[in-house]
Amino acid sequence: GQNIDQPTEMTATEGAIVQINCTYQTSGFNGLFWYQQHAGEAPTFLSYNVLDGLEEKGRFSSFLSRSKGYSYLLLKELQMKDSASYLCALSSGGSYIPTFGRGTSLIVHP
Amino acid sequence: SAVISQKPSRDICQRGTSLTIQCQVDSQVTMMFWYRQQPGQSLTLIATANQGSEATYESGFVIDKFPISRPNLTFSTLTVSNMSPEDSSIYLCSVSRTSGGAGETQYFGPGTRLLVL
Repeated sequence: GQNIDQPTEMTATEGAIVQINCTYQTSGFNGLFWYQQHAGEAPTFLSYNVLDGLEEKGRFSSFLSRSKGYSYLLLKELQMKDSASYLCALSSGGSYIPTFGRGTSLIVHP
Repeated sequence: SAVISQKPSRDICQRGTSLTIQCQVDSQVTMMFWYRQQPGQSLTLIATANQGSEATYESGFVIDKFPISRPNLTFSTLTVSNMSPEDSSIYLCSVSRTSGGAGETQYFGPGTRLLVL
């Protein structure tokens, strides 16, 4: 089976940096996704990591360590519009359909 | 990307009734999926909608409760049958363009918010 763990809620200040962690246990790891979901809206794709290391995409970066079963999403120069739920999702085994974690609700305040 | 619409966007239904949710994509896609997202919970995959054949259901979900149709490459329906308050949730349609290989991005519809009284 799979297990995905991420914090339920985080708060941060506008302009700051925040790191959202995701730990997982699985066999047959394929890759790890991060999605953003604003309240009342559909999830949107942010990143997909297969290999260890950091991948940067503008203000957002995603890191993966397969040996540690660990990933994080790094958000820089936080803006109020970054207030959303961030979903960690795992693809493993023969199925490429990802399994989603419960999501981390990020609240950005002035 | 893919533009996905769902109908209805929300509904309030009486227990024991059924509701059919429609998902329309602006272009042909290979894979279509149906998810449920209960309040404060993660996205849970209900089934993969297969064109021209029966859907593939995940553990805990059965065809009698959640019949699914997929007549072509741009459209699918999910029916929530004999509803109870426990079925109150957001139901999301999702698609991926190719065969669902590793790393294939999934695109989500806006969701249907269902409240069962």
